[in-house]
Amino acid sequence: RKEVEQDPGPFNVPEGATVAFNCTYSNSASQSFFWYRQDCRKEPKLLMSVYSSGNEDGRFTAQLNRASQYISLLIRDSKLSDSATYLCVVNLGASGGYQKVTFGTGTKLQVIP
Amino acid sequence: ETGVTQTPRHLVMGMTNKKSLKCEQHLGHNAMYWYKQSAKKPLELMFVYNFKEQTENNSVPSRFSPECPNSSHLFLHLHTLQPEDSALYLCASSPRRRGVEETQYFGPGTRLLVL
Repeated sequence: RKEVEQDPGPFNVPEGATVAFNCTYSNSASQSFFWYRQDCRKEPKLLMSVYSSGNEDGRFTAQLNRASQYISLLIRDSKLSDSATYLCVVNLGASGGYQKVTFGTGTKLQVIP
Repeated sequence: ETGVTQTPRHLVMGMTNKKSLKCEQHLGHNAMYWYKQSAKKPLELMFVYNFKEQTENNSVPSRFSPECPNSSHLFLHLHTLQPEDSALYLCASSPRRRGVEETQYFGPGTRLLVL
């Protein structure tokens, strides 16, 4: 089983739609969780952290379910500029002084006019 | 954003050339990383440095040679590369301090083409 699994997509959605991405992780010792966004031919950029209580940043809502080892990202009112690949990221913690981070393979989103 | 910078941004080299990629972070982080991302493939971790000491080498071929003179600078020396080494090479850094943003921050990458 992969450490971090995501549906690769692509998800093709019309502008204004709501879309949800899911991610599962295998290591129950994982400590923190993030969503990154990667545009075509660019570097991954931190989108938001994911907390057990759920957190919201504008049109984006992230949720963590530790019992099910499951992370989600909800995007409301999709914009054309949301088209990108969304990476689920799991952090085992700063063992050895560096962040032991595992990246999912990403879910591609294409928002259509 | 200028937190993590990489040069050059694009590089074309022959299989017999020697070149170096440079990364610099201005975030006061302690750890730096090299990743490779081939077309339509996930990120592959290559090397990790913590306060300029190498802590991980993920079975990377010896034609890739990292160097970390201090915790702000990281180099990747390239020699006798193969065409399959063509990819986006990403540098990242991360903080040691505890907090909710304990994750990695990436530079813009160097897009490498080996002919």
